Amino acid sequence: EDQVTQSPEALRLQEGESSSLNCSYTVSGLRGLFWYRQDPGKGPEFLFTLYSAGEEKEKERLKATLTKKESFLHITAPKPEDSATYLCALSRSARQLTFGSGTQLTVLP
Amino acid sequence: DSGVTQTPKHLITATGQRVTLRCSPRSGDLSVYWYQQSLDQGLQFLIQYYNGEERAKGNILERFSAQQFPDLHSELNLSSLELGDSALYFCASSDRDEKLFFGSGTQLSVL
Repeated sequence: EDQVTQSPEALRLQEGESSSLNCSYTVSGLRGLFWYRQDPGKGPEFLFTLYSAGEEKEKERLKATLTKKESFLHITAPKPEDSATYLCALSRSARQLTFGSGTQLTVLP
Repeated sequence: DSGVTQTPKHLITATGQRVTLRCSPRSGDLSVYWYQQSLDQGLQFLIQYYNGEERAKGNILERFSAQQFPDLHSELNLSSLELGDSALYFCASSDRDEKLFFGSGTQLSVL
C-alpha cells in the first residue's frame, strides 16, 4: 500500500530562519512526487513535481529535492507570507494522488 | 484563482439528508477529481471522471455518487448523511502535465 509520511507536523520559524520539511514515502512504481501549498480555507496550490531521484526544482525561496525514499522541501530565508500547510503527494497511477497529512509552517516576523 | 469553480462554499444540513456539490473545471480540462479533506483523514481521493466517464475510484462510500455532464461540469451527490461526513470537499481538474488545480472547496457540516 502506498504511504506518505510528512514531518514535522508543525514548524515555527523566525523570519529568515531557513529549514527543511520532510516527506518519506513507500510506493511501487513512483510516477511523480508532488508538493502543494494550502492556505486556510482554500484548495491546495501546486508547487512542484519531481519524477526521479536526484531531481531538484526551485521557485523563489523554495527548493524541492527527491531521493528514492524521501523528498525535502527546503525553505530559504522564509517570510511570513510563506506560512501555510505544505502537502506532499505521490502518484502511482495517472493523476490519482495519495497525500501526506502535511506540515503546518508558521513564519514569525 | 485556479479556474476551478465549486458551489456552494458552505452547506449545513442534518443527518439522513441528501446534498449535491457542484464543480466546473478549468476551461479545456477534461478530467475532474473529487477529494475529501477531514482533520483526521487528511486529503482522500474519492473519484475521477474523464470526459464524462468514470476513470478511477478511491475511498468513496456507496452512499456517495458522482457524474460528469456533457458540458464537463461535475456533481458529487452525498446521501443518507452522517455526522462523520462533515468535511471539506474539493474538486480538481488537471492539465496535460498532471498538475491538479483545486477549487476552493465546499465545507459540509452535518448536524
